[in-house]
Amino acid sequence: AQKITQTQPGMFVQEKEAVTLDCTYDTSDQSYGLFWYKQPSSGEMIFLIYQGSYDEQNATEGRYSLNFQKARKSANLVISASQLGDSAMYFCAMRELTTSGTYKYIFGTGTRLKVLA
Amino acid sequence: DADVTQTPRNRITKTGKRIMLECSQTKGHDRMYWYRQDPGLGLRLIYYSFDVKDINKGEISDGYSVSRQAQAKFSLSLESAIPNQTALYFCATSDPTGGPDTGELFFGEGSRLTVL
Repeated sequence: AQKITQTQPGMFVQEKEAVTLDCTYDTSDQSYGLFWYKQPSSGEMIFLIYQGSYDEQNATEGRYSLNFQKARKSANLVISASQLGDSAMYFCAMRELTTSGTYKYIFGTGTRLKVLA
Repeated sequence: DADVTQTPRNRITKTGKRIMLECSQTKGHDRMYWYRQDPGLGLRLIYYSFDVKDINKGEISDGYSVSRQAQAKFSLSLESAIPNQTALYFCATSDPTGGPDTGELFFGEGSRLTVL
C-alpha cells in the first residue's frame, strides 16, 4: 500500500538557520506527485511546494526547496533562513492515480516545527 | 470569500446525533475530498468524488456517508455520531493535472467537530 512517512514528530530550529523536514514515500506507481503543506496554529492548510515524479530538477519556491531523491524515495522539505512565522505543522503528501482514473492524496503524520528567536 | 467553504466551522454535539458537514466550492473543480485530522495521525481520507456520479470510499469511511449534490457541493454525514469521531474535518478540491496547475489540493478552512 502506498504510504508517506514523516519520522520527526517535532523539531526546533534557530531563527535564520536552515532546517530539513524528512519525508519518505512508498509507491509502485511510476507517475506520482509529492506535495508539502503548512498548517499554522490557526488551522488552515497552505500549499507550499510540488514535485512531480518525472521532474529532474528539485522544486523551489522562495525559501522552500524540495530535496527529491527518487531512488531513495525521499522528498525532504528544506526551509532556508527560518523565520518565526515558519513555526507550524508541516505535512508531506503524495498524489497517486487510482484504477478508476481519479487522484487520491495520502498524507504523512506531520512534523511540528518550532522556530526559536 | 473563500474558494472552498465549509459549514459549520465548529460544532459540538452529543453521541447518537446525526450531523452533516457541508462543503461548497467556487473553483469549478470536479474532484472533491473529505479528510479528518487527528493529532499524531495526520490527515486521513474519508471519501472522495470524481464527479457527481462518482463516490469512492477512502481509508476510514466506516461511520460516514457523503452526498455529491452538484459539482460544487459535497456533504459529509455522520448518521450517529460517536466520541471518537471528534476531529478536525477538511474538505478539499483538486483540478486534473495536465494544465498549468500542479494539481494540488485546495482546502477549506476546516470544521471542528466535538462529540460528547
